[in-house]
Order: sequence, then structure tokens, then C-alpha cells
Amino acid sequence: EVQLVESGGGLVQPGGSLRLSCAASGFTFSSYDMHWVRQATGKGLEWVSAIGTAGDTYYPGSVKGRFTISRENAKNSLYLQMNSLRAGDTAVYYCAREGREGWFDPWGQGTLVTVSS
Amino acid sequence: EIVMTQSPATLSVSPGERATLSCRASQSVSSNLAWYQQKPGQAPRLLIYGASTRATGIPARFSGSGSGTEFTLTISSLQSEDFAVYYCQQYNNWPLYTFGQGTKLEIK
Repeated sequence: EVQLVESGGGLVQPGGSLRLSCAASGFTFSSYDMHWVRQATGKGLEWVSAIGTAGDTYYPGSVKGRFTISRENAKNSLYLQMNSLRAGDTAVYYCAREGREGWFDPWGQGTLVTVSS
Repeated sequence: EIVMTQSPATLSVSPGERATLSCRASQSVSSNLAWYQQKPGQAPRLLIYGASTRATGIPARFSGSGSGTEFTLTISSLQSEDFAVYYCQQYNNWPLYTFGQGTKLEIK
């Protein structure tokens, strides 16, 4: 069974840091592009970062310079290092596998990040 | 950035009836469009990719159509488990993928 399991969420103060992890199983992790997507409570989905199979990384302007996506293929794991966190970063963070041409399937169950003093 | 606009924001439909959800792209995304279903407290689930191809295990009552800038998700006969929020996503511009704001499908 293809599965993604996130961990590492929690409460952090503004300006703080947090590292999220995503454990993948049931597929050849190294062969897929991977993404992080977030969702604030009651809001829509926002793409946060992507990493290609070659380790190339991409970010939207809202997190560029603060977030770093990485992968460790030997451990079938995806990471998101989040620095200089703001209240607006509060959301459930999902990891997702990119399909053959760009859709996301599957998604993990999500991990909640709360930025508050 | 390609902006995806979904309409309506909320759609009230009775069980057994047909639901039609729309998604418009600010520029052509060809057929590089996916639809997702999200229920409260759950992660999104892929329904449709390539604008019209059902994902594995998705019932035939779900269908997608369109290309370019105009897309439609149709649910032919609504079941109780279909009431959820639906999102469209364009993946024409790797990896700067964008989502619509969602359509909430509620019971009338």
C-alpha cells in the first residue's frame, strides 16, 4: 500500500523554527517528485514546496528564503525545514507524491503547525 | 502565476440529483487539470486527472470535462458520501501548481 505519514508539527513561537518529516512507503520513493501543500483552518490548499528526483527545489514567493525542502532517499523520507515562522504559516501541512504528469496522489494525513506566542 | 477560479463557492443539491462544478484558469492549462475531494478532517483525495480521467477506485458517477481554461466536474447522482469540498488544480506549469479556492457541495 502506498502511504505517506507526516510528523513534526506542533506549537512554535513567531520567529521560531520547525522541521517536518514525511515517511514514505509502498513505492520507489527516489523515482518521484514530492511536494508539501498547506491548508489553514477553513481555507483552501496552498502549494508550499517541491523537490525533484535530482534534488532540485522550488518554492512560492510566500515561503522562499524561509523554508527548505529536502529528501533522503535511503530513508524514504521527505523533510521541510521551516524558519522565521509567522502567524500566517499556521496550517495543516501535507506531503504529497506527484503523479506521472503532475497530479498529487496520494497525500499524507497532515501535521498541524501552529505559530503563536 | 496561473489563477484558478471555482464556482460556485457553495452548491446545494439533493441526494440523487446531478451536481455540476466549474473551474476556470486565468490562462490555458491544456488538459493538465486535476480534481480532488476533501472531507472534514481528511486529506484531499484525487478524483480526476488529465481533466477527464478517473483515478483508481473512483466511481463512474464522477466525470470531468474541459480543456484550455474551462473545466467541469459532474457528479451524476449524488450519494451521501459525496457531500464534501472539491478543489481543482492546474499542473501545466511545473512545479508552480495552483489550486482553486474550492466548492463546498452541501445537502439541500
